[in-house]
Amino acid sequence: DSGVTQTPKHLITATGQRVTLRCSPRSGDLSVYWYQQSLDQGLQFLIQYYNGEERAKGNILERFSAQQFPDLHSELNLSSLELGDSALYFCASSESTGQGARNTGELFFGEGSRLTVL
Amino acid sequence: AQTVTQSQPEMSVQEAETVTLSCTYDTSESNYYLFWYKQPPSRQMILVIRQEAYKQQNATENRFSVNFQKAAKSFSLKISDSQLGDTAMYFCALDSYGGSQGNLIFGKGTKLSVKP
Repeated sequence: DSGVTQTPKHLITATGQRVTLRCSPRSGDLSVYWYQQSLDQGLQFLIQYYNGEERAKGNILERFSAQQFPDLHSELNLSSLELGDSALYFCASSESTGQGARNTGELFFGEGSRLTVL
Repeated sequence: AQTVTQSQPEMSVQEAETVTLSCTYDTSESNYYLFWYKQPPSRQMILVIRQEAYKQQNATENRFSVNFQKAAKSFSLKISDSQLGDTAMYFCALDSYGGSQGNLIFGKGTKLSVKP
């Protein structure tokens, strides 16, 4: 058990809909990362938050947004869903030194949220 | 641009034997980390082993060891005495910024099957 909790584990929805994925990082971790895993694209970094602020942005679509709350949990919002958004969405957290730098380089991953868009 | 390439989409090995998974990478940074992550059918990503680029000594974790060739930008994973529980997808990953920025760059993965 990595200590990172993601909900829901599975989600089935229709095209055009909006969903919210939730992540609770390991106790004490200030940084949260979101990744998308699909068969054709592999594991793609979406976005990182550190202590409530956006720190780095990857291949995140404009239809997607994220935030990190004062209690450090994070939510990933996916809107106007398309068939191609079907994927496994991972949240990860890490120990951090100042300014969001990772102490050891290691990310601790949750079990992922499997999104199916029909 | 940073890239990670795993050239073996699938591999299989007999239980108790040794197998080596290949990974090559590219980065212009001098300070970076390399990782091997394992994703079993339960789908959770689990860190197998980590290597800091400035360390010449190859990392080892029990039955897992790496062959880090910095000049060749090669980072292979050797699994000794393979066990059925080693069956999983294995991902090589690069952190080009020494932990100062967000993202790990992952390879496409190698699916390893350990056969009894």
